Amino acid sequence: GIQVEQSPPDLILQEGANSTLRCNFSDSVNNLQWFHQNPWGQLINLFYIPSGTKQNGRLSATTVATERYSLLYISSSQTTDSGVYFCAVEAGSYQLTFGKGTKLSVIP
Amino acid sequence: DAGITQSPRHKVTETGTPVTLRCHQTENHRYMYWYRQDPGHGLRLIHYSYGVKDTDKGEVSDGYSVSRSKTEDFLLTLESATSSQTSVYFCAISGRGGGAEAFFGQGTRLTVV
Repeated sequence: GIQVEQSPPDLILQEGANSTLRCNFSDSVNNLQWFHQNPWGQLINLFYIPSGTKQNGRLSATTVATERYSLLYISSSQTTDSGVYFCAVEAGSYQLTFGKGTKLSVIP
Repeated sequence: DAGITQSPRHKVTETGTPVTLRCHQTENHRYMYWYRQDPGHGLRLIHYSYGVKDTDKGEVSDGYSVSRSKTEDFLLTLESATSSQTSVYFCAISGRGGGAEAFFGQGTRLTVV
């Protein structure tokens, strides 16, 4: 099946700093989503982005499908950005395959 | 937010007992999914449904069964719970199959003692 690798696994930022999270995948995909899992365990949709670039406030994402990677940018990080960020892809099987996530800690 | 409700939110049960988790949606979406989340494994698909009475197995289906008698409800049953099924269970929905955006419920934390 398709493999999804996220990097870095852990990231500690000072409040106000910028960061880039990466998601590599091993095959062509029909769907790519970024989620934020908050400290209460809720999975929040950030982006549905099988290709191209999208922006939502301080967050933006870019997927280069031909090169099989996606990037999530967080600018001017806040403590509320803390949590785990997951990349998930689907390659025609109706099944979302998740990466292991990047755990982000933003400290004041 | 997508209208997805999971129940119960927390449950502790004994080994060998049957357990049923419920996922209820108000979005009239065709596709529904059950995932489990475990440390070191991320989220993995257990079963999914592509319509009323239409279901199929996912990556980790052993020990689980599902039923969907109405569009809005998708039930996950552990026939005889084991400690290895202690996990957080998430339901997800999407409006169509391949390539569609998925939305997740709040999760159910199940502990089997």
